[in-house]
Amino acid sequence: GAVVSQHPSWVICKSGTSVKIECRSLDFQATTMFWYRQFPKQSLMLMATSNEGSKATYEQGVEKDKFLINHASLTLSTLTVTSAHPEDSSFYICSAIRLAVYEQYFGPGTRLTVT
Amino acid sequence: AQSVAQPEDQVNVAEGNPLTVKCTYSVSGNPYLFWYVQYPNRGLQFLLKYITGDNLVKGSYGFEAEFNKSQTSFHLKKPSALVSDSALYFCAVRDNQGGKLIFGQGTELSVKP
Repeated sequence: GAVVSQHPSWVICKSGTSVKIECRSLDFQATTMFWYRQFPKQSLMLMATSNEGSKATYEQGVEKDKFLINHASLTLSTLTVTSAHPEDSSFYICSAIRLAVYEQYFGPGTRLTVT
Repeated sequence: AQSVAQPEDQVNVAEGNPLTVKCTYSVSGNPYLFWYVQYPNRGLQFLLKYITGDNLVKGSYGFEAEFNKSQTSFHLKKPSALVSDSALYFCAVRDNQGGKLIFGQGTELSVKP
C-alpha cells in the first residue's frame, strides 16, 4: 500500500524555538496533503490543507503565521511551528491523497513536546 | 454541514465475542464513509470505505461495516474480537468540497482475554 512518512517521529524543543516537521509520500505523488493535530485520546483536528505549488488553506482558528506550511514538491510538505510554546505540545499527523484511488494515507505522526 | 458521530467513547468486549463500533453521519448528497484504526502513538491505518455498491463492506483484519442509508449509520463490526484489536477507532466522512476528512470523536475499543 501507499506509504507516508513523517520526520522526526518525536521532538523536544525549548519554548520560543521553531520546529520543522516533514511529511513525505514515499511511493506516490500527492498534490494535496493535510495536517492534523491530535490531543491524547481525542479526535484529529484538521489544521490546514496543503496544496503543491500554492498557499495552504488554514482551518478557522489556526494561526497561519504560527504554523507555516510549505508544499514544495509533489512528495513533500513541511509544517513549521514557529516560536513554540508549551501549549503547542501535541501529536501532529499528516496525510496525503493518492489521486489514482482518491484515498487518504496517514503518516505515523510526530510527537512534539515544548518545554 | 457534514458531520460524523460516534456515540460511544469506549466499547468493551471479551475476546472471541462479536464487536460493534457505532457511527452515524449527516451529509448532503452521497456519503463517502471511512473507518480508521489508531494504535498508541501511531498514525491512522485505513480499515475500509464505502463509496457506492454493496451495503456490506469488507475491510482489513476481518473487519466489516454496514452502510444503512435509512438510519444514516455505518457501524463497524467483527465476528470474533481479538485482544490485538484493542485500539482507538475513528469513523470519517469525506467532505464534498476539497476532499478533507471529517472525523468522529473516536471510540476506544478494549478487548479482554
